[in-house]
Amino acid sequence: AQSVTQLGSHVSVSEGALVLLRCNYSSSVPPYLFWYVQYPNQGLQLLLKYTSAATLVKGINGFEAEFKKSETSFHLTKPSAHMSDAAEYFCAVSVGGSQGNLIFGKGTKLSVKP
Amino acid sequence: EAGVTQFPSHSVIEKGQTVTLRCDPISGHDNLYWYRRVMGKEIKFLLHFVKESKQDESGMPNNRFLAERTGGTYSTLKVQPAELEDSGVYFCASSPWGTDNYGYTFGSGTRLTVV
Repeated sequence: AQSVTQLGSHVSVSEGALVLLRCNYSSSVPPYLFWYVQYPNQGLQLLLKYTSAATLVKGINGFEAEFKKSETSFHLTKPSAHMSDAAEYFCAVSVGGSQGNLIFGKGTKLSVKP
Repeated sequence: EAGVTQFPSHSVIEKGQTVTLRCDPISGHDNLYWYRRVMGKEIKFLLHFVKESKQDESGMPNNRFLAERTGGTYSTLKVQPAELEDSGVYFCASSPWGTDNYGYTFGSGTRLTVV
């Protein structure tokens, strides 16, 4: 069965510092993996997705994630944090391919200090 | 194009009452999903419509929850009677049908508080 583990419910970085949000997955089949972001008082927005093409995936707002099969990881990174990146980030794996439902991690709240 | 619209954005009801949440997907999206996030827990899948048919309702917690999608357009999720543990944020998402559709578009959610 598929599952997702996000390490760290809260991460705090300084503005301009590297952002690293960790996600490990468990899947018995090649996974489709996603990162979503939820800004305060808004819905979930797709940041990026891995669908078995390139292992390094670039998303919106300067974020990227690397699929590492050997480590069953899909960590999210951004070289330089901005105050506007403060939000909650969710890693998810798709059950049953592109049309299937998603299994989410518990989420990681990112705080950015000036 | 308009996004996924959910209303109400907030609802506070008493235990035992009935509440109906509505989701309007993006026009032309055959897939419609409902998810829920209970306070402090993961976002969890409730059910999946393809057009007006329920493709997967394995996540529905119990028979107090009833989802419909009349005519394959908007969907409603009714909770009757509501219990305290039903409090949370209910998200709707939609996507087109097909093999190259990865990732949904989510609505802003309905925050339900049962008191």
